[in-house]
Amino acid sequence: QVTLRESGPALVKSTQTLTLTCSFSGFSLSTTAMCVSWIRQPPGRALEWLARIDWDNEKYYNPSLKARLTISEDTSKNQVVLTMTNMDPVDTATYYCARKFGISGFDTWGQGTMVTVSS
Amino acid sequence: DIQMTQSPSTLSASIGDRVTITCRASQSISWWLAWYQQKPGKAPKLLIYKASSLQSGVPSRFSGSGSETEFTLTISSLQPDDFATYYCQNYNGYSWTFGQGTKVEMK
Repeated sequence: QVTLRESGPALVKSTQTLTLTCSFSGFSLSTTAMCVSWIRQPPGRALEWLARIDWDNEKYYNPSLKARLTISEDTSKNQVVLTMTNMDPVDTATYYCARKFGISGFDTWGQGTMVTVSS
Repeated sequence: DIQMTQSPSTLSASIGDRVTITCRASQSISWWLAWYQQKPGKAPKLLIYKASSLQSGVPSRFSGSGSETEFTLTISSLQPDDFATYYCQNYNGYSWTFGQGTKVEMK
């Protein structure tokens, strides 16, 4: 069974760095054509794709946020970590991680973790 | 960036109605488009991938069509469980994007 679960702080302050962890099971990120992405959703608003890490360790970012994002994998722990620097109240959102395999879309999502940025 | 524009933003419909949602890409994305359903407080659920392929376990009343820059999601006969917000997503190339969403509400 494929599962993903996000974890991280519920509250951060402006200018701080946010670190989120996606713990996954039921698949290997080293399998060809596998990837894990981070997506966020501000309250009442649309989904926004943030970053992805592929099976070959290639990394891609939303161009508008690229300067603030870093995605990495801890292979031994089956975890994908996202850091976002210089947090602002507009970054308040539910942050999801999700799996994509091959030609499919994001077929499995975590439950999401709500992050509030205080000024 | 490739921009994804959905229409309408809100759709009012009744049980049994045929519902169509449109998604337009600002440039060609071939068939690399997915559709998701999201209910309040829940993660999105994949319905359609590669423009027209039905995800396993998704009812056959959902269908997708289109290519290049214009895509549609159709619900052939709206059911009570289908009232939700629907998103399209481009996964062509290196930078992926979502549409702004279409809320399907009860008329």
